[in-house]
This record gives sequence, structure tokens and C-alpha cells, in this order.
Amino acid sequence: GENVEQHPSTLSVQEGDSAVIKCTYSDSASNYFPWYKQELGKRPQLIIDIRSNVGEKKDQRIAVTLNKTAKHFSLHITETQPEDSAVYFCAASRRGGSTLGRLYFGRGTQLTVWP
Amino acid sequence: EAGVAQSPRYKIIEKRQSVAFWCNPISGHATLYWYQQILGQGPKLLIQFQNNGVVDDSQLPKDRFSAERLKGVDSTLKIQPAKLEDSAVYLCASSPSLGETGNHNYGYTFGSGTRLTVV
Repeated sequence: GENVEQHPSTLSVQEGDSAVIKCTYSDSASNYFPWYKQELGKRPQLIIDIRSNVGEKKDQRIAVTLNKTAKHFSLHITETQPEDSAVYFCAASRRGGSTLGRLYFGRGTQLTVWP
Repeated sequence: EAGVAQSPRYKIIEKRQSVAFWCNPISGHATLYWYQQILGQGPKLLIQFQNNGVVDDSQLPKDRFSAERLKGVDSTLKIQPAKLEDSAVYLCASSPSLGETGNHNYGYTFGSGTRLTVV
């Protein structure tokens, strides 16, 4: 099955700085890569996703890049704010066959933004 | 639209007892998932339903876990008997379809989860 590795496990930045979280995946058939934000005691919430036919996607201060050849994708948060503090999870999924929609998650990155 | 509903929010049981969790997905969503999230880890899929049929239960510990989705709507997940290592948050999620080619939005929505503590 798919194996998703996520780094770093913790990340501390000053407010206004940028934050980058990186993930690698093992299954070259994976073609959908969402990122989730999970605040303490709350549900994971989708913040951005990217499909394998796209190399980069941006939504305001958040961007995701995908390198299919190297099998890695990254989350970039610019102008960080204290409310960005949370655990961020990357995930990978594959369309087609019986595993449509199943998400394989990384172990998460605890992002702390200091005022 | 209403979100994915789960109950209870919290449950504390002793090991070897049984417990059941309930999930009501977003109306019209054909696919329902149960995930287990152990503290400090990412969610891990236990079982996936398409309507009332099981699509993937390869990671479900079938000697103690069972799940059903009667009538293709609500679902229950049961643990019997519980072990200490079952302490986790159990997340239910739903999406409108298995997906197809094109610009499809999975609409993958999680519920708030049930936090289970086994003592």
C-alpha cells in the first residue's frame, strides 16, 4: 500500500515568516494530495488539495507544490499568523479501483506561530 | 449543508468491555469512512463503505471490530472486547462518490469524532 512520510514533526516560526512542510509518497499511482489542518480537539479540515495533473496550486497565503517524478509535495504558508498554529497533515489517494477515496495520511506537523 | 454527525463525543470504558459509535453522513453522500486516529498520528482508515457495501476493510481488526451501514445511510462501528491500545479518536467521514476522472471534488468531510479512552 501507500506510505506517506511527513517532515518536520514540529515547526516553530515567528509571526509573518513563512512555513514549509514536506511530504513524500511511495505509490506512483497516487494522484490526489490534500492537506488538512487540525486544531486541538477538532476535526481535520481540508485547507488545500492538488491533483497530479497540476504542479502548483495557490489559495491566498497557502500554496502546494507537487513533484510527481520525485514523488513529493509541499505545503507553503506565507505571512504566518498565530491562528495558523495547528497540526497539519498531508495525505495521498489514488483514483480508480477499490481504493478510490481512501486517504493515506502522514504523521502530522505541529506548527506553532509565535507573536 | 449539515455536516457529518457523530456520537457520542467521548467514551470511557474498561478493557474487555464493548462500545459502539454512531455516524450520520452528509445527506446524499454515497461513501462513508471510519478512521482511527491515535494520539500524535495521522488518521488511519479502518473501513470504507460505498452505499451499504464494504469497499475496503483490510485494516479493520476483525476479531474485535465490526461495522455496518444498513440502508446505506447511518453507520455504526463496534469494538468488542476493547483493549487499551484501542484508545483513540474515531473519525467518520463521507464523500459524494468514489470519484471519476475530470475535475471532481471529493467533498471529503470529517465528523468531530468520538474520543475513546480504554482504562
